Amino acid sequence: KQEVTQIPAALSVPEGENLVLNCSFTDSAIYNLQWFRQDPGKGLTSLLLIQSSQREQTSGRLNASLDKSSGRSTLYIAASQPGDSATYLCAVRNTDKLIFGTGTRLQVFP
Amino acid sequence: GAVVSQHPSWVICKSGTSVKIECRSLDFQATTMFWYRQFPKQSLMLMATSNEGSKATYEQGVEKDKFLINHASLTLSTLTVTSAHPEDSSFYICSARDTRRGYTFGSGTRLTVV
Repeated sequence: KQEVTQIPAALSVPEGENLVLNCSFTDSAIYNLQWFRQDPGKGLTSLLLIQSSQREQTSGRLNASLDKSSGRSTLYIAASQPGDSATYLCAVRNTDKLIFGTGTRLQVFP
Repeated sequence: GAVVSQHPSWVICKSGTSVKIECRSLDFQATTMFWYRQFPKQSLMLMATSNEGSKATYEQGVEKDKFLINHASLTLSTLTVTSAHPEDSSFYICSARDTRRGYTFGSGTRLTVV
């Protein structure tokens, strides 16, 4: 059974710091991995999608890497801003299902 | 592109009544949609996979008679919470898969049963 874990569970940092969020999964037989952002009481916004054959994806200040063999992905956020405050979820696709991680609650203060 | 609209965004209902939540893919066809439930400060739990024109596939522990799913067209799936009780109060989110962009999620529905 696929299990997805995210570390840390919560993170509070001053504005401007570079951040690394970690995601690990137990079954490396995945199709892809996706990072999402969720604001309180809202749905999910897709940030980055990494196919199983890819090593990383970049969008603006965000960079996500994938090491499928070791079951790990990292989301790198450069020059964090208060507007980045949200919960970040990683999810892996096994067959047709998306299995979510436990989430990292990020707070960036001015 | 790849927009999923979910309605309503919030609903309050009395115990014993039924509530229907709609999920529409606006600019693409989705043969498969997914329904999730999220408790406060927890991650998303997959409830069921909704397939257009066929019966939904429910995850273990999810009552199919309580959570009725209908996927009558390529752009619409509905979740009906029947005979709702306070313990059904939760945040429900749908998603649809686009072959290029991965999974796109609706904005969620906050259900409160009083």
